[in-house]
Amino acid sequence: SQQGEEDPQALSIQEGENATMNCSYKTSINNLQWYRQNSGRGLVHLILIRSNEREKHSGRLRVTLDTSKKSSSLLITASRAADTASYFCATGAYSGAGSYQLTFGKGTKLSVIP
Amino acid sequence: DGGITQSPKYLFRKEGQNVTLSCEQNLNHDAMYWYRQDPGQGLRLIYYSQIVNDFQKGDIAEGYSVSREKKESFPLTVTSAQKNPTAFYLCASSWDRGPNQPQHFGDGTRLSIL
Repeated sequence: SQQGEEDPQALSIQEGENATMNCSYKTSINNLQWYRQNSGRGLVHLILIRSNEREKHSGRLRVTLDTSKKSSSLLITASRAADTASYFCATGAYSGAGSYQLTFGKGTKLSVIP
Repeated sequence: DGGITQSPKYLFRKEGQNVTLSCEQNLNHDAMYWYRQDPGQGLRLIYYSQIVNDFQKGDIAEGYSVSREKKESFPLTVTSAQKNPTAFYLCASSWDRGPNQPQHFGDGTRLSIL
């Protein structure tokens, strides 16, 4: 079952600009994670934000979480060509059967033009 | 360096053939996962294992089988019962299957039908 949904599907910006990607989800979560995937490679974990947190920073990354709106955003400041990749949000939640599962969205494809 | 190694990088399957994808990790993680990624899609969970000699079906287990005889290894077999096996397969691991655990990914195996 697909939980997180990213918006926009694709984003193209100039180097040096900021990039903002959004993720919306439907049910209660335990945490929300952001991953990056370079073309033809595996996913790389960027940041994890727990449901009781509102904002986290890691280098040029800033993640916010609004559980009342069931949404999160990932901001990449001062983008570089090397940031070109697909970005996925993943929601961690317990199912009705009590099993914890991480569910990935379809991703936002970011292109940073030098 | 610790990490996850998937092999082969590319694999071709003939009609009616079973093929096995290898996944090895030296991170000392208990939990391991197999995901399938189709173009423009998010990741879908095929199977996961929380501990040696134990594994559970994910959302799309039909046509696939796994084993977990060693902590380091979690091979995936794509059987002839999987009628649409062409996809990018990703293996991941985490310390355990509890919440708030980031997952570490290999670089994937791309499977195509001959």
